[in-house]
Amino acid sequence: QKEVEQDPGPLSVPEGAIVSLNCTYSNSAFQYFMWYRQYSRKGPELLMYTYSSGNKEDGRFTAQVDKSSKYISLFIRDSQPSDSATYLCAMSRNSGNTPLVFGKGTRLSVIA
Amino acid sequence: EAGVTQFPSHSVIEKGQTVTLRCDPISGHDNLYWYRRVMGKEIKFLLHFVKESKQDESGMPNNRFLAERTGGTYSTLKVQPAELEDSGVYFCASSPYRVGAYEQYFGPGTRLTVT
Repeated sequence: QKEVEQDPGPLSVPEGAIVSLNCTYSNSAFQYFMWYRQYSRKGPELLMYTYSSGNKEDGRFTAQVDKSSKYISLFIRDSQPSDSATYLCAMSRNSGNTPLVFGKGTRLSVIA
Repeated sequence: EAGVTQFPSHSVIEKGQTVTLRCDPISGHDNLYWYRRVMGKEIKFLLHFVKESKQDESGMPNNRFLAERTGGTYSTLKVQPAELEDSGVYFCASSPYRVGAYEQYFGPGTRLTVT
């Protein structure tokens, strides 16, 4: 069983839609949860970071972590064509100085 | 401030040849990580340096891969001899060495194609 599962999509939505992206994981030692965004031919870029369970909001983006279900989500409100990218969930056991474990990434297209 | 840079951006080599990838981390970042993404799979960890020391090399696939970080600055990843399954995108990431420095800054990657 993979440590992190993420549906690769692709996911195509109209501009303005609410997007929901999800990952599940199997290792209960993960404490730190991240969402990275990757544009074509670029490296991943950190979008959101959450520690343990709970919600975190940043503008149009909301990250949720449910450790009891080993399930994390990223919501994008009022999606824009510029949000079109691959979204990767990543996790680690410690804060800092630790390799990340990634999901496969979900490719999102927001159509104008 | 310059970001993480990687060279070359793309390399095409034949099976059995040698290739060396280079990563220049952000200045002052003691943590340096190598990751690889094979087509259709997730980004996977290869190796972690703290300054010039190998902290964790549990992700290195086999002894055809050799990573170095001389003087704790830039790092190289050599593949010798290259095999077809080594094709993929190799990412380097760096971060400061401290508790709470959770963000890793990624380079654009080197796309390696072994034919």
